Amino acid sequence: EVQLVQSGAEVKKPGESLQISCQGSGYSFSNYWIGWVRQMPGRGLEWMGFIYPGDSDTRYSPSFQGQVTISADKSITTAYLQWGSLKASDTAMYYCARHDDTADYWGQGTLVTVSS
Amino acid sequence: QSALTQPASVSGSPGQSITISCSGTSSDVGGYNYVSWYQQHPGKAPKLLIYEVNNRPSGVSYRFSGSKSGNTASLTISGLQAEDEADYYCSSFTTTGTLNWVFGGGTKLTVL
Repeated sequence: EVQLVQSGAEVKKPGESLQISCQGSGYSFSNYWIGWVRQMPGRGLEWMGFIYPGDSDTRYSPSFQGQVTISADKSITTAYLQWGSLKASDTAMYYCARHDDTADYWGQGTLVTVSS
Repeated sequence: QSALTQPASVSGSPGQSITISCSGTSSDVGGYNYVSWYQQHPGKAPKLLIYEVNNRPSGVSYRFSGSKSGNTASLTISGLQAEDEADYYCSSFTTTGTLNWVFGGGTKLTVL
């Protein structure tokens, strides 16, 4: 059974750093793109970027380039989304999804709250 | 990278059929058969309903169907049920911008 399990909710202060994770199982992790999706409160879905764990090829949406870092460790079948300095506007739910020509499996989501 | 255009809301009564549109350009919806539809209930992760314009994954009800004409894709839900009340998003491959995938803005379906 294909599963993507994300790390738990986080509460952070502005300026702090954060890394959230997405562990895949039940399939060949190296051979599928992992996409990260942001959903701000009451808003729609936005693709942030993708990583191909097999060779770490990474693509970012222009809206998120330079704001976050996407990485993966195929040895532990885990993808990461990282912020160096959080802002209040980063408060959102973040989803990872396995993506080939569609996002067929999704993680349960990680809620990130940034507040002073 | 502009989002695909969806109506903000649609509504229908139980048993009726509704259609949600997803408008793009020849660089995305119109140019490729990589349109997907997702359903999202409040507080839940999105769920894949349709991929490659009109294919249903195993386990998705036959009441959900997809189509495309020109630069506009559509999701039709027949025999509306109360549990269909949710947000629906389209997504497409795109050659515009540096990221090859884009979502629509989402449509809230209300079952009256």
